[in-house]
Amino acid sequence: ELKVEQNPLFLSMQEGKNYTIYCNYSTTSDRLYWYRQDPGKSLESLFVLLSNGAVKQEGRLMASLDTKARLSTLHITAAVHDLSATYFCAVGAGTYKYIFGTGTRLKVLA
Amino acid sequence: NAGVTQTPKFRVLKTGQSMTLLCAQDMNHEYMYWYRQDPGMGLRLIHYSVGEGTTAKGEVPDGYNVSRLKKQNFLLGLESAAPSQTSVYFCASGPWITEAFFGQGTRLTVV
Repeated sequence: ELKVEQNPLFLSMQEGKNYTIYCNYSTTSDRLYWYRQDPGKSLESLFVLLSNGAVKQEGRLMASLDTKARLSTLHITAAVHDLSATYFCAVGAGTYKYIFGTGTRLKVLA
Repeated sequence: NAGVTQTPKFRVLKTGQSMTLLCAQDMNHEYMYWYRQDPGMGLRLIHYSVGEGTTAKGEVPDGYNVSRLKKQNFLLGLESAAPSQTSVYFCASGPWITEAFFGQGTRLTVV
């Protein structure tokens, strides 16, 4: 059974700093997704990673996937307040399902 | 462009009552999902469907039933609501391998 773990669960950081969120999963998968959720809102897709070594970047966020290590990272560069949200990774389980991590609540302090 | 629409957005039920949550998507997606979100537990898959007329169990299916009679609609039913089913419910749909698109959520409280 696929298990997905994220760390840290909570992250408070200063504006302008860099940090990385980690997503580990327990069984083989070649699909990994990152989502953002603002309080009381739905989930917004950020990145789709479909192969080993995949790297995607959008603004101050960069995501990568290492399928051999069963690890994905979401790197934040020079954080700004607007990045405050909860970030989820989701891993493809079998052909049709996505299993989510518990989320990382990020707060960027001015 | 509506995307994924959930109805209702809020609901309060008494223990033992039943209700149906409706999810409608206009993107012609094959796959549809129901998740529940609880504090500190991320999103957990309740049931999913890989096409019209098909359904399958997810991680936490007990106490819920689903139906996919039409490709664009995925219904989630609670036959006899319990306080443990108080949660935010999200519906999602997806074409194939690419990311799932989520609805706005239904906040359900069972008292």
